[in-house]
Amino acid sequence: GAGVSQSPSNKVTEKGKDVELRCDPISGHTALYWYRQRLGQGLEFLIYFQGNSAPDKSGLPSDRFSAERTGESVSTLTIQRTQQEDSAVYLCASSLVSTGAEAFFGQGTRLTVV
Amino acid sequence: RKEVEQDPGPFNVPEGATVAFNCTYSNSASQSFFWYRQDCRKEPKLLMSVYSSGNEDGRFTAQLNRASQYISLLIRDSKLSDSATYLCVVYNTNAGKSTFGDGTTLTVKP
Repeated sequence: GAGVSQSPSNKVTEKGKDVELRCDPISGHTALYWYRQRLGQGLEFLIYFQGNSAPDKSGLPSDRFSAERTGESVSTLTIQRTQQEDSAVYLCASSLVSTGAEAFFGQGTRLTVV
Repeated sequence: RKEVEQDPGPFNVPEGATVAFNCTYSNSASQSFFWYRQDCRKEPKLLMSVYSSGNEDGRFTAQLNRASQYISLLIRDSKLSDSATYLCVVYNTNAGKSTFGDGTTLTVKP
């Protein structure tokens, strides 16, 4: 596709269950970001992938959160043993790594933990 | 201290007003700067890049002050459709990574 695609667009899960969120970046974009945005709040950086380099995981809030990316393609964000405070929109963005790189966002996955 | 900090807002202005947002960044190695716009319940989208010499796009003017490490966005003749959250973004070439500010919310009222 032409843009960043995220799935599912909405996810309702029970507390304690695991969830997996998917992001398909724009083809050729080597950089990929995951952000969390709680209602009425700013973007919270989670993790950053750049090519084959070790990912920057400094934003992951706990060991319940993990993410993978295969090469320069699809990424999955996994949240284990979900808690109500995990409820948020999870946004993925991709970009070319060059000076002045613009980040393109997907429409996000709205996660609700009940 | 956050790497990128913005005026917390919210800014509530009447139509036709001029409004300015500031953003400061802490990493002097930062190379590129942007303003993004995020509408309610939508994803952020690029509004404009910020060039060293300053740049203008219609009613929007962006400026960069490297010495003081801040960027600004000026909106003239505000429209109702300008109501959104404006995010400051700083790209660090060394790290190859963009950092987003928390955003400033603007509401333009009739």
